[in-house]
Amino acid sequence: IQLTQSPSSLSASVGDRVTITCRASQGISNYLAWYQQKPGEAPKLLIYAASILQSEVPLRFSGSGSGTDFTLTISSLQPADFATYYCQQVNAFPFTFGPGTIVDI
Amino acid sequence: QVQLHQWGAGLLKPSETLSLTCNVSGGSFSYHYWNWIRQSAGKGLEWIGEINLSGSTNYNPSLKSRVTISLDTSKNQFSLKVTSMTAADTAVYYCARAYSSRSPLLYWSQGTLVTVSS
Repeated sequence: IQLTQSPSSLSASVGDRVTITCRASQGISNYLAWYQQKPGEAPKLLIYAASILQSEVPLRFSGSGSGTDFTLTISSLQPADFATYYCQQVNAFPFTFGPGTIVDI
Repeated sequence: QVQLHQWGAGLLKPSETLSLTCNVSGGSFSYHYWNWIRQSAGKGLEWIGEINLSGSTNYNPSLKSRVTISLDTSKNQFSLKVTSMTAADTAVYYCARAYSSRSPLLYWSQGTLVTVSS
């Protein structure tokens, strides 16, 4: 299953609302997760099952979608949010990741 | 707090075998799925495979013929072997834990940069 993300990169300011889209090449129900990665660090799980916020992740992050189309939204961008975001499907083997979306200033 | 710490050779020559071990501390070693993922500039994040407590494995077909994931429950460790390494296998390799199969990866290791060069 191939995952595409759009945009591949975006520039935003603190306080902006940011939306990232992930599209699957076939239906994956809600077996989708979102990760945040900063340079030199491992990915960090933000959202799983498409819309469930991982414990201790700020409430400004939210996810939605089912089937083939999913979105990650950051309601009010904070300085700590400048990073690369990846989606991952865990519906079918082999599990796959999207190519990433870079969020920078 | 669950922690994963991995180690292994970081520089290999073409055709050599990569061996990495991941040690798990904190939390239960049972009832979870233990994964390997790699990340390269060219291919992004790539899931390599997983193993569970019973030793059942699932591998990415792109690597399946060269990959072995194994488990040592007595040491709370799991390992990755990749044979016939080439420059295309140069990447940061991570071990990670999923709660169950078809679950996301909550706990990750620090990663190891593996470079294949003659």
